[in-house]
Amino acid sequence: DAGVTQSPTHLIKTRGQQVTLRCSPKSGHDTVSWYQQALGQGPQFIFQYYEEEERQRGNFPDRFSGHQFPNYSSELNVNALLLGDSALYLCASSLGLARSRSYEQYFGPGTRLTVT
Amino acid sequence: AQTVTQSQPEMSVQEAETVTLSCTYDTSENNYYLFWYKQPPSRQMILVIRQEAYKQQNATENRFSVNFQKAAKSFSLKISDSQLGDTAMYFCAFGPGNAGNMLTFGGGTRLMVKP
Repeated sequence: DAGVTQSPTHLIKTRGQQVTLRCSPKSGHDTVSWYQQALGQGPQFIFQYYEEEERQRGNFPDRFSGHQFPNYSSELNVNALLLGDSALYLCASSLGLARSRSYEQYFGPGTRLTVT
Repeated sequence: AQTVTQSQPEMSVQEAETVTLSCTYDTSENNYYLFWYKQPPSRQMILVIRQEAYKQQNATENRFSVNFQKAAKSFSLKISDSQLGDTAMYFCAFGPGNAGNMLTFGGGTRLMVKP
C-alpha cells in the first residue's frame, strides 16, 4: 500500500519565478492538505482540498494556489516566489469528514524548496 | 485562532529511561482533537498518538502515553523505555472539531536519546 508521495524531492528556484509541487495521497484517501515548514519551525497550514475544491485555507497570500484532480492527487502552485518561501512543503492526506472522524493524517516526505 | 506552545526546544534522555514533553494550547472551542507527531531526520511526519477532547481517558499507544488536562489546556507526551529510534523532532498539534484535518502545530521539541 503506497503512502503519500510528493515530487520533486528538492527544487531550487529564483525570486519571481513560479513553482508547482505535486502530491499523491495514500490509497483510499480523498482529502489533501498542504503545509509549509520553515527551517526550525512547526508546519503551517496552507489549504485543504476535498472533492476538487479548496475547503479550508490558512493565512497565506493568493500567490499560493492549488488544485485537486479527480484521482485525488493535488498540486500546490506558488507564484512570484520570495526568498521567504524557502521551506519544506508537506502534503498530508486523510479521509474526508463524510467518511471518517478520526482526522488521522498521513504525511508525505515533503519537497524542499530553495528560493535564491 | 488557536495557538500551540511547546516550551522545551530541546531535551535529552538516556536509553531505557522515561521522558515527558510538554505542550499547552489556547482555544475557545470545546470540541477538538490533539495530536503528537514525530519527525525524524528523514523528514516524514509520523502520527504518534491522538486524543479527542471529549474523552477524559488519556490515550496510550504502546510506550507512548499522554496526560491530557483539558481545564489547564495541557497535553504532555510521556515516552517510556526510550529507544535510540525515538530521536526526532516532536510536534504537538491542535485540530478543531469541525475541521480536524486543519492542524495548528507547535514549534517542536528536539529529543535526543543517548545510548
